[in-house]
Amino acid sequence: GAVVSQHPSWVICKSGTSVKIECRSLDFQATTMFWYRQFPKQSLMLMATSNEGSKATYEQGVEKDKFLINHASLTLSTLTVTSAHPEDSSFYICSASQSQGSFGSGTRLTVV
Amino acid sequence: QKEVEQNSGPLSVPEGAIASLNCTYSDRGSQSFFWYRQYSGKSPELIMFIYSNGDKEDGRFTAQLNKASQYVSLLIRDSQPSDSATYLCAVKAWGGSYIPTFGRGTSLIVHP
Repeated sequence: GAVVSQHPSWVICKSGTSVKIECRSLDFQATTMFWYRQFPKQSLMLMATSNEGSKATYEQGVEKDKFLINHASLTLSTLTVTSAHPEDSSFYICSASQSQGSFGSGTRLTVV
Repeated sequence: QKEVEQNSGPLSVPEGAIASLNCTYSDRGSQSFFWYRQYSGKSPELIMFIYSNGDKEDGRFTAQLNKASQYVSLLIRDSQPSDSATYLCAVKAWGGSYIPTFGRGTSLIVHP
């Protein structure tokens, strides 16, 4: 149980374009999801907490207008990286709050 | 500022040996402690969690918690090359914020 599906697993995009990452809870309802970013050899850094039906809560230093989070249903949260730049290249991972072990498979974003 | 400290390693052990991974945390209000394994390019997977002082064993893995010393460790017995990965320690406070704080991770290399 508590399976979280994340897509895409990897994406390459040009600078200035936007990329959407989806995170779905497959067998449970996730009222809250976490979005993390992980740079090489670094730990998971929490970017924002996504709450179903309300605005996301962003961590200090994370631009809410650049990283748009939508949690319109109990099974889907999306992260859109707008106007992507090479420094946004990273590994993005979602996680459901209901289960400590429920991480999505991650999305490797490369901005060229 | 809640901090979770881990030696980045790499920790190199021979196959069949015991690997000992350590983690210290700064928040005395921490109540839940987790160990995750992360293979390169993959998202973390939960290995064990521990709430109470003492040892908790699960197969080849033993988690040890000492709240007085603010210290949690993971022992891997009979280490296998497939155990080679980065091990992340995560800590949660009880009540209040349920968002885990992750350490940077320790890279473990098990050589044949």
